[in-house]
Amino acid sequence: QSALTQPPSASGSPGQSVTISCTGTSSDVGGYNYVSWYQHHPGRAPKLMISEVSKRPSGVPDRFSGSKSGNTASLTVSGLQAEDEADYYCCSYAGSNNVVFGGGTKLAVL
Amino acid sequence: QLLESGGGLVQPGGSLRLSCAASGFTFSSYAMSWVRQVPGKGLEWVSGINGGGASTYYADSVKGRFTISRDNSKNTLYLQVNSLRAEDTAVYYCAKGGCSNTICARGSQGFDYWGQGALVTVSS
Repeated sequence: QSALTQPPSASGSPGQSVTISCTGTSSDVGGYNYVSWYQHHPGRAPKLMISEVSKRPSGVPDRFSGSKSGNTASLTVSGLQAEDEADYYCCSYAGSNNVVFGGGTKLAVL
Repeated sequence: QLLESGGGLVQPGGSLRLSCAASGFTFSSYAMSWVRQVPGKGLEWVSGINGGGASTYYADSVKGRFTISRDNSKNTLYLQVNSLRAEDTAVYYCAKGGCSNTICARGSQGFDYWGQGALVTVSS
């Protein structure tokens, strides 16, 4: 099972919005509404930011939002803050192929 | 809270058993998974198990070498890792699924809590 495709890096200034894409296939992202997004600061445990394409867990700021169109899912971070600087990973249920993660996107807040 | 243990340095071909002690939630009501991160690389799902423990799932890269299990009486998740290779060197995280069923064992509702990770180094 190939990894989902994410841009290696993204950046924005404080207060701006940035969108990170996650492209898969009809066997994973496009086939199910089971895409999740994780924030990972090196040395810390990953944190669930979005589940089931667009659901935001309790405690996650509403600056984080998720969407999907066809085989591509997206994570948008609005009103960028310094603490948003981290690695972000998408993940999709993939049926018989189980689970696939994206390669990760390093978000820089300039 | 999820707390992994059992990591360490092991020779190629060797074995280890990773443990993940859970607290703060009804362990048997949730599927669990192991996810690993090779140093400097991205996250890779390794294995998942449903809440009751009857259904298990594995990534192709570890199938036949790794075995996931759980003891709901001890609130503990395990990963037996055998025939280790250099490419298995990674930080291994246990992660809680959003429900008990088999698709939650494969992240359908996301992994909502993660441990701090256990480092496994495979080297001679």
